[in-house]
Amino acid sequence: QVQLVESGGGVVQPGRSLRLSCTASGFTFSHISMHWVRQAPGKGLEWVAVITYNGSNKYYADSVKGRFTISRDNSKNTVYLQVNSLRPEDTAVYYCAREGVRDGYHKGFFDYWGQGMLVTVSS
Amino acid sequence: QSALTQPASVSGSPGQSITISCTGTRSDVGGYNYVSWYQNHPGKAPKLMICEVSNRPSGVSNRFSGSKSGNTASLTISGLQAEDEADYYCSSYTSSSTWVFGGGTKLTVL
Repeated sequence: QVQLVESGGGVVQPGRSLRLSCTASGFTFSHISMHWVRQAPGKGLEWVAVITYNGSNKYYADSVKGRFTISRDNSKNTVYLQVNSLRPEDTAVYYCAREGVRDGYHKGFFDYWGQGMLVTVSS
Repeated sequence: QSALTQPASVSGSPGQSITISCTGTRSDVGGYNYVSWYQNHPGKAPKLMICEVSNRPSGVSNRFSGSKSGNTASLTISGLQAEDEADYYCSSYTSSSTWVFGGGTKLTVL
């Protein structure tokens, strides 16, 4: 069965960096675009970034552009989110999510999610 | 990348039907059939309920349905049950090759 397991979260001081990881199993990882989505405490879902199946295309939310970098290692079935210059407003539960595919085409929805991991930015 | 507009809250009694709207623009909801809906219980990962405007994934109750007209998508839940009480979010692909979520709607089953 499909599983997405995130790691790398924790408490970090403002201005510092973290690398979040999401390791996938149960499907052909190298064929699927992967996303990061976050949810600040008591707030709604916010889409963060996407990386296409082969890593050739990456897109970001305006709120993180220039500070966050998404990448993947298909040999390790893992997608990463490098988060730099962290701000208190980046405090959130970070989820990785798989983009759904039907008839061989990516269809713009998130069909499997990781359990989420909390990143707290505080001095 | 403005969030899609959803009502902050809706409520209904068991057995009733409710509809949650999700309003965007021609650059997102109105321009693509890549609108999806997610159920989010506190402390849990979101669950996909509707994809591609109106398709229901395997395992999702047929009490959930989706539609779209112009720049507004809708999620309807019929035969409300206590277990439906949760937050619901819409999402859409955008013309910038990004995605956007709605602000979320808290459903209360009275």
